[in-house]
Amino acid sequence: DVKVTQSSRYLVKRTGEKVFLECVQDMDHENMFWYRQDPGLGLRLIYFSYDVKMKEKGDIPEGYSVSREKKERFSLILESASTNQTSMYLCASRPMWGILSYEQYFGPGTRLTVT
Amino acid sequence: AQRVTQPEKLLSVFKGAPVELKCNYSYSGSPELFWYVQYSRQRLQLLLRHISRESIKGFTADLNKGETSFHLKKPFAQEEDSAMYYCALLLGGAQKLVFGQGTRLTINP
Repeated sequence: DVKVTQSSRYLVKRTGEKVFLECVQDMDHENMFWYRQDPGLGLRLIYFSYDVKMKEKGDIPEGYSVSREKKERFSLILESASTNQTSMYLCASRPMWGILSYEQYFGPGTRLTVT
Repeated sequence: AQRVTQPEKLLSVFKGAPVELKCNYSYSGSPELFWYVQYSRQRLQLLLRHISRESIKGFTADLNKGETSFHLKKPFAQEEDSAMYYCALLLGGAQKLVFGQGTRLTINP
């Protein structure tokens, strides 16, 4: 059973703080993704990675960076948190190849509040 | 531009009534489309994939390339169908999913 875990369910940070959101998957998936989920806007892709040390910008990368030093771990970094980054953040993973490569597995989400 | 549109943010139907969640897409390539669902306090999960042509929990979705649509249908809604539903398009070359804005479905008893 694929498991994608995120380091925190709820997080409250102050404006200007550096914030780290961690995601770990245990199925050796090549692809990993970070989304933010906002009402009425759906899921918007922030960054994704298809291999260790590889990263690609998604649709809304401004204000974010990522790190993938190990295959199982994909970190999202908010260099200087702002109130408009208050949101639900979802991590996901998916294999690159094979019969199950179409299904994306999501973590439980981290609800980040920036005050 | 690649885009997925779900025109209804909210949809409310009575138990036993038919339900249809609309999804339209814009994509120049051969589309691969999905429906994902998020039940209350659960993580987002795959509901069905167009290429499988299967029925999951009574739901079906047919790809209509002429109308560029992939509407989700169920003939008789049940209360446990209440959830947030997202339509998604896989951009093959980029290996990433583009999601619609989501439709919150509420089934009234």
